[in-house]
Amino acid sequence: NAGVMQNPRHLVRRRGQEARLRCSPMKGHSHVYWYRQLPEEGLKFMVYLQKENIIDESGMPKERFSAEFPKEGPSILRIQQVVRGDSAAYFCASSPTRSSISSDTQYFGPGTRLTVL
Amino acid sequence: QQQVKQSPQSLIVQKGGISIINCAYENTAFDYFPWYQQFPGKGPALLIAIRPDVSEKKEGRFTISFNKSAKQFSLHIMDSQPGDSATYFCAASVSGTYKYIFGTGTRLKVLA
Repeated sequence: NAGVMQNPRHLVRRRGQEARLRCSPMKGHSHVYWYRQLPEEGLKFMVYLQKENIIDESGMPKERFSAEFPKEGPSILRIQQVVRGDSAAYFCASSPTRSSISSDTQYFGPGTRLTVL
Repeated sequence: QQQVKQSPQSLIVQKGGISIINCAYENTAFDYFPWYQQFPGKGPALLIAIRPDVSEKKEGRFTISFNKSAKQFSLHIMDSQPGDSATYFCAASVSGTYKYIFGTGTRLKVLA
């Protein structure tokens, strides 16, 4: 059973460009979460999605950031007009359908390291 | 009130020793407390988790101790090994709210 997959693993963008980060959850998981980790810091929640729905985006910056989880295909975190402060590791996590007590556990992908020049 | 405070920031332990990492929280609604291990360049991997209905949970060399009245929980790594050298994060969540609140991490180094 493959784990959470993220690509690309490393992404370099110049200021003003767009960054697209992709996340495929574990098989059987219908919940996706995005977190951001700045150097030497803990992970900060950004957004929680289910298929075709944004459930909680309270951690997303109001501008330039958006996320989606379409019916088919991976979840996408999109950052428009990137700035140097967006440089960070972005982690995706997934969890199973919330029908059992174990559904609180989130499984993390390897992350995408975004560098903005 | 949403913070999880983690200490120490860094820890050096001799091989075979006990590593202890502490976390404290304020929000009494938190009811799920996982610990994650992260190696450089990798994603966090779940180590062990506990709910507040138990005071201790052990899995191999890893033990979580939970003190509900003090709103504190800690990770103990027994017989620490150089391969345990990593950054450890505690986290907390409220069932149904879906998001984890992470501590700031502890960088553990186990000397051979």
